[in-house]
Amino acid sequence: AQKITQTQPGMFVQEKEAVTLDCTYDTSDQSYGLFWYKQPSSGEMIFLIYQGSYDEQNATEGRYSLNFQKARKSANLVISASQLGDSAMYFCAMREGGAGGGKLIFGQGTELSVKP
Amino acid sequence: DVKVTQSSRYLVKRTGEKVFLECVQDMDHENMFWYRQDPGLGLRLIYFSYDVKMKEKGDIPEGYSVSREKKERFSLILESASTNQTSMYLCASSGGEAGRSPLHFGNGTRLTVT
Repeated sequence: AQKITQTQPGMFVQEKEAVTLDCTYDTSDQSYGLFWYKQPSSGEMIFLIYQGSYDEQNATEGRYSLNFQKARKSANLVISASQLGDSAMYFCAMREGGAGGGKLIFGQGTELSVKP
Repeated sequence: DVKVTQSSRYLVKRTGEKVFLECVQDMDHENMFWYRQDPGLGLRLIYFSYDVKMKEKGDIPEGYSVSREKKERFSLILESASTNQTSMYLCASSGGEAGRSPLHFGNGTRLTVT
């Protein structure tokens, strides 16, 4: 069965430093996609970045990049130059290629706090 | 921009009541989803729908049902609310070609059952 694991319930980072949020996944599918979402205290879920299992390059979106290690089944989110506004919950999620309706399976989340 | 609107931000209901959570999306998306979010558990899929009048069970459907009579609207129904259904409920939608398409979420409904 597919599964997403985020082992860091909480993380602290100093403003302007980089931080890595861990995500490991388990699937028997060869075709799948990995997503990261941000949820600030307001509660909205904000899509950050996507990585496909067949993508040759690691995904990047502005200050966000995804360290995709397929053999290790990990898809860690790297946030460069942290800002106070990055304080939020972060969720890793996976979609298997054959997933009906495009459903996503989510991890438990990591709460990131950025210190001034 | 995709807009997913959930009818209530906060809701307080009594045990045994029938509860309706409404969700509307404005992007003509085929797929709609209901998740519940609990601390330490992340988001868990309750039900989803990939077409009008179609529904599929997610990982935790017990105690819930859904209705999708129109493409833009997906309702979650708690037939007889219980205290263990106190949670944050998130509705989402996505386009037909799943692939890289992210889910677009509403702002959530925080339900308290007393």
